[in-house]
Amino acid sequence: EVQLLQSGGGLVQPGGSLRLSCAASGFTFSSYGMGWVRQAPGKGLEWVSSISASGSRTYYADSVKGRLTVSRDNSENTLFLEMSDLRVGDTALYYCAKDRKATPAGEVDHWGQGTLVTVST
Amino acid sequence: QSALTQPASVSGSPGQSITIPCTGTRSDIGNYQLVSWYQQHPGKAPKLLIFEVSNRPSGISNRFSGSKSANTASLTISGLRAEDEADYYCLSYTTSATFVFGGGTKLTVL
Repeated sequence: EVQLLQSGGGLVQPGGSLRLSCAASGFTFSSYGMGWVRQAPGKGLEWVSSISASGSRTYYADSVKGRLTVSRDNSENTLFLEMSDLRVGDTALYYCAKDRKATPAGEVDHWGQGTLVTVST
Repeated sequence: QSALTQPASVSGSPGQSITIPCTGTRSDIGNYQLVSWYQQHPGKAPKLLIFEVSNRPSGISNRFSGSKSANTASLTISGLRAEDEADYYCLSYTTSATFVFGGGTKLTVL
């Protein structure tokens, strides 16, 4: 059974940093693209970032480029999202997402449980 | 990258069919077959319904179907059921090597 177990969310002040993790199991992690999708309270889905199966290719939404960094450790079956210079507008539930393909295609067939990031004074 | 355009809400009666359009541009929907659709019930993670415009993952009912014409993709749900009441989102790859969601459509089953 595919499982994506997220950790690392919480409350942070504007300008602060946070690291999200997503531990994967039940599938060959190194064979699939992964990514992050967020949802602000009461709002719609927003694609944040994706990474290819090997980790050689990364993709970012313009709203987070230069502040958020996606990476993966295929030896530890873990996906990361390093978040810096956080803004109030980054407040959202962040989902870890597994793609159906090695090169991300926007076809997320499994989701993490979500982790809440709150940016506030 | 601007969000794809979806109607805020649609409704239908049980047994009827509804279609949710998702309008983009030549820079996204109009240029790629990488269009997918998701269903999200309140408090739950999204669920993949359609990928590559019109393909269904295993386990997804054939009541859900997708299509595309020019810059607009569409999701059709036939034989509406009460459990179909949810939010629906389209997603497309873009020429900027990014992905973009639609704003979401709330489906009400009357």
